[in-house]
Amino acid sequence: GAVVSQHPSRVICKSGTSVKIECRSLDFQATTMFWYRQFPKKSLMLMATSNEGSKATYEQGVEKDKFLINHASLTLSTLTVTSAHPEDSSFYICSASAQANTGELFFGEGSRLTVL
Amino acid sequence: QKEVEQDPGPLSVPEGAIVSLNCTYSNSAFQYFMWYRQYSRKGPELLMYTYSSGNKEDGRFTAQVDKSSKYISLFIRDSQPSDSATYLCAMKITGGGNKLTFGTGTQLKVEL
Repeated sequence: GAVVSQHPSRVICKSGTSVKIECRSLDFQATTMFWYRQFPKKSLMLMATSNEGSKATYEQGVEKDKFLINHASLTLSTLTVTSAHPEDSSFYICSASAQANTGELFFGEGSRLTVL
Repeated sequence: QKEVEQDPGPLSVPEGAIVSLNCTYSNSAFQYFMWYRQYSRKGPELLMYTYSSGNKEDGRFTAQVDKSSKYISLFIRDSQPSDSATYLCAMKITGGGNKLTFGTGTQLKVEL
C-alpha cells in the first residue's frame, strides 16, 4: 500500500508554545489529506480536511485559529497546534489517498503530543 | 444514535480461534466499507476494502457487507497473538470525497 509519513512521532512541549506536525505522502500525490485526533480507547475524530493550494475545511467544533493547517504541496500537509495547552495533549493522525473518492485512505504513524 | 456502532470490547480469544468483529450503521447511503487494524500508539492500517454488499476474502481475513441489514463483519481465521490490536470499521458515501465515518473500534486480544 501507499506510504504516509508523519513527523514527529512524539513531542513534548511547554504550555503556550506552538508545535508543528508534518504529514507526507511518500510515493504518491495527495490533493486531499485528513487530520484526526484520537483520545485513549476512542475512535478517530476528524478535525479537518486539508486541500492542496486552498484553505482547510474544519469540522464543527474545531478551532481553526488554534489548529492551523497548511497543504503547501501535493505531498505535504502540516498541522500547527498554536498556544498549546494541556488539554491539547492527544494522538494526532493524518491520512491521505492516492485516488479521489475511493475512500481508500492510508494513515501516518501518528504523533503523540504532550503539553506540560 | 451514532452513525456507526461498534462494540468496543475488549474481546479476548485463544490462539487459533475464529474472530468475528461487527459494525452496524444507520446511513443507508454508505457504499464503501473498510476495516482498519491499529496497533497501540500507531496509525491505522487498511486491512479490507469493499464496495456495496458481498464478501471479500484476503488470506485469513474475510469481510462481509449486508446492506439490507446495515451490518458489516470482519472474520479472522486461525487468529494469532500478532492479531491483537484494535479493529476499526469505516465507511463512506458515494460522492463524499474521501471523508470516512469510523466506528469506535474493537480491542482484540489473542492469547497463547
